[in-house]
Amino acid sequence: DIQMTQSPSSLSASVGDRVTITCRASQSISSYLNWYQQKPGKAPNLLIYAASSLQSGVPSRFSGSGSGTDFTLTISSLQPEDFATYYCQQSYSTAMYTFGQGTKLEIK
Amino acid sequence: QVQLQQSGPGLVKPSQTLSLTCAISGDSVSSNSAAWNWIRQSPSRGLEWLGRTSYRSKWYNVYAVSVKSRITINADTSKNQFSLQLNSVTPEDTAVYYCARVYYGGNAINWFDPWGQGTLVTVSS
Repeated sequence: DIQMTQSPSSLSASVGDRVTITCRASQSISSYLNWYQQKPGKAPNLLIYAASSLQSGVPSRFSGSGSGTDFTLTISSLQPEDFATYYCQQSYSTAMYTFGQGTKLEIK
Repeated sequence: QVQLQQSGPGLVKPSQTLSLTCAISGDSVSSNSAAWNWIRQSPSRGLEWLGRTSYRSKWYNVYAVSVKSRITINADTSKNQFSLQLNSVTPEDTAVYYCARVYYGGNAINWFDPWGQGTLVTVSS
């Protein structure tokens, strides 16, 4: 299986901050990398697909980059509604999809 | 707009079968550009993909190795829904279970969207 490792596991930040979350794959996955946001008691919600494509309806302060094994999710200016847990997911191996362990973004 | 609505019991006894259903609106379970998945989430295992069913002139199922001997995913075209059955459950199967569509874009790009609302299933006597 392709292992996905996110860092950090948790992060404290303030409204207006620029935040970056990293995701590393255990082997090259080209650009087959998706990002999700999950709020307590809710299902994950797609933010970014194919490493850098913004899902329709997602604010432009969210952006993704990377290819191969290293990827980043950036929030350019944190808003109160952005405090949540973020997950990366590889879609390269469709026989066994895998997710990162999550990054919990908390208010400082 | 595609929506997925889950249903099923929240409590299952050890050794019995966990059964959940996901009703689809706004898309077809027989779509050639989608696959229908079950994913679970627990504090110990995180988000864990369990398997999918898809229709490409015939039905194909793919299951995670971790549950392959115990899982069945079926599609019901008459009701436009799909289901999960997980046999011989133990307390380790306690989790929030989600259904989700995989949508296939160009160049094999694919992603999970949308997701069902989630069902907390507790395995306990």
